Amino acid sequence: EAQVTQNPRYLITVTGKKLTVTCSQNMNHEYMSWYRQDPGLGLRQIYYSMNVEVTDKGDVPEGYKVSRKEKRNFPLILESPSPNQTSLYFCASRQGFMNTEAFFGQGTRLTVV
Amino acid sequence: LAKTTQPISMDSYEGQEVNITCSHNNIATNDYITWYQQFPSQGPRFIIQGYKTKVTNEVASLFIPADRKSSTLSLPRVSLSDTAVYYCLVVWGGGKLIFGQGTELSVKP
Repeated sequence: EAQVTQNPRYLITVTGKKLTVTCSQNMNHEYMSWYRQDPGLGLRQIYYSMNVEVTDKGDVPEGYKVSRKEKRNFPLILESPSPNQTSLYFCASRQGFMNTEAFFGQGTRLTVV
Repeated sequence: LAKTTQPISMDSYEGQEVNITCSHNNIATNDYITWYQQFPSQGPRFIIQGYKTKVTNEVASLFIPADRKSSTLSLPRVSLSDTAVYYCLVVWGGGKLIFGQGTELSVKP
């Protein structure tokens, strides 16, 4: 089954404690991205990757890092989480940069206290 | 970058046809119009994509007039399970998906 898998689904952490949210897709998609969703602000892109070892900032990259060492994986790293990063996070993938059909993961609800 | 405008919310009843219109006055020649559906606490799900005229799949129809400055997503005979937020996107030349506020559709029995 074609899918994008994020882990964990829920996470409560403390300010400053480094964390990683994993994202994996089994569709051999080139393009992957991370979004955060907040009430009243909608979905905002954090980072995206057009292929292995190619990543770039989205609209709200501050406080986040990503890596793309393999095509299937695109982890989101919060080196020093802060309460304003409390949000619902989604990973997405799609076949190519010009393909508009994206597949989203189930989401990760992160709370930073 | 083409900006989209769609109603913030709509109400409907089960069995009715729902039409959600999106305006995108600055759409570029190479842009595609795409619609996504999102249920609470779930990731958006692709519904349909079109360039011009009409596109239909098993879920919805998409109507695009010749000037492409607007588009209408049509959901036939909605049910309670169609209650969701619907996003209209215009994919610009670089392919970045930008989600606006969407239309919150509420289907009542």
